Amino acid sequence: GDSVTQMEGPVTLSEEAFLTINCTYTATGYPSLFWYVQYPGEGLQLLLKATKADDKGSNKGFEATYRKETTSFHLEKGSVQVSDSAVYFCALSGLVNYGQNFVFGPGTRLSVLP
Amino acid sequence: GAGVSQSPSNKVTEKGKDVELRCDPISGHTALYWYRQSLGQGLEFLIYFQGNSAPDKSGLPSDRFSAERTGGSVSTLTIQRTQQEDSAVYLCASSLDLADNEQFFGPGTRLTVL
Repeated sequence: GDSVTQMEGPVTLSEEAFLTINCTYTATGYPSLFWYVQYPGEGLQLLLKATKADDKGSNKGFEATYRKETTSFHLEKGSVQVSDSAVYFCALSGLVNYGQNFVFGPGTRLSVLP
Repeated sequence: GAGVSQSPSNKVTEKGKDVELRCDPISGHTALYWYRQSLGQGLEFLIYFQGNSAPDKSGLPSDRFSAERTGGSVSTLTIQRTQQEDSAVYLCASSLDLADNEQFFGPGTRLTVL
């Protein structure tokens, strides 16, 4: 079945450091790919998405490019801030025989120190 | 409403009791999703509704779990004869329709089975 693998955390960085959180997937067909973020004490919210190969999703300084050849959707940010401390989830959504399939990765906790 | 709401926010129950969790999606959203987030784990997809219909129930962990949605709005997730392994945060999300991949999440219901 479809699956999402993302790097294990926690990831601890200093403010203004460069961030990469790796995400790879296995899926039949052509899924849409997402990054969701969960800030402390809050619910999940969509950070960015890409619906087809080579699409780049971007939001709040974060970027991720849908790479079909490497089945990856790595999250990057050039300069992290303390306010970026959160748990980040990579996810995919795709069509299957019976309808729609939704798979989330286990999440990566990011802590940014001042 | 302004966002997805869930009730109760916390539920503590004894093993063997039945519990009912409620989700109120964003007004006008036709698609609704249930997930489970166990401690230290990612999100486990349980079931989705398009309108009042749930095309596939195979994601539900056991036959003690059931979900329904009436009137194309509120959904309830029922767990019968709860077990300790059912303890988790149960998240609900909604989207405009199934083709719109952006899901808006509620704050979750934290279920503790003693």
